[in-house]
Amino acid sequence: TQLLEQSPQFLSIQEGENLTVYCNSSSVFSSLQWYRQEPGEGPVLLVTVVTGGEVKKLKRLTFQFGDARKDSSLHITAAQPGDTGLYLCAGGTSGSARQLTFGSGTQLTVLP
Amino acid sequence: GAVVSQHPSWVICKSGTSVKIECRSLDFQATTMFWYRQFPKQSLMLMATSNEGSKATYEQGVEKDKFLINHASLTLSTLTVTSAHPEDSSFYICSAPPGGLTYEQYFGPGTRLTVT
Repeated sequence: TQLLEQSPQFLSIQEGENLTVYCNSSSVFSSLQWYRQEPGEGPVLLVTVVTGGEVKKLKRLTFQFGDARKDSSLHITAAQPGDTGLYLCAGGTSGSARQLTFGSGTQLTVLP
Repeated sequence: GAVVSQHPSWVICKSGTSVKIECRSLDFQATTMFWYRQFPKQSLMLMATSNEGSKATYEQGVEKDKFLINHASLTLSTLTVTSAHPEDSSFYICSAPPGGLTYEQYFGPGTRLTVT
């Protein structure tokens, strides 16, 4: 069974601070996706990384896929209250099933 | 982008009754859809993979006779919670990959089920 562990599980910070969320596994994934979910809504895709060592930036968010494709990180610069939400990483494997393995989640709260 | 809808968005039912939740891909065809369950402040737990034209594949520990899945067309999958009990109360979310070479999946907005 493939498992993805996220850390920290909960994070509460002040507006303007930086933060990093980690997603680790002992398994290799073909792709790694990050989602953000707000209460009562479905997850919204933020980014997909597929190449080991890949770095993608989305405004104040920087995503990195580990060289061995077993881990990933999400770094947020100058966090804002609008960044508050549940952040989920999800690993995908190749093949027709396209099944995702979700991480345990990181609940981020950015205080004004 | 691809859109997935769910209906209803929330439902309250009495213990012992059955509830059907629909998941539709609005602008693409999906031969595969996924059903997840999520408890408050927790991650998504995959329940089953819905396959158009064939039986669903259930994850270990998920009762297939309790959570009936029907993927009747390339744009619709339904999840029926039979003989619902309070412990079935949860947030149910479906997703569908849009196909092609992408690894991405698009998620529905979820259905909040409360069993009284």
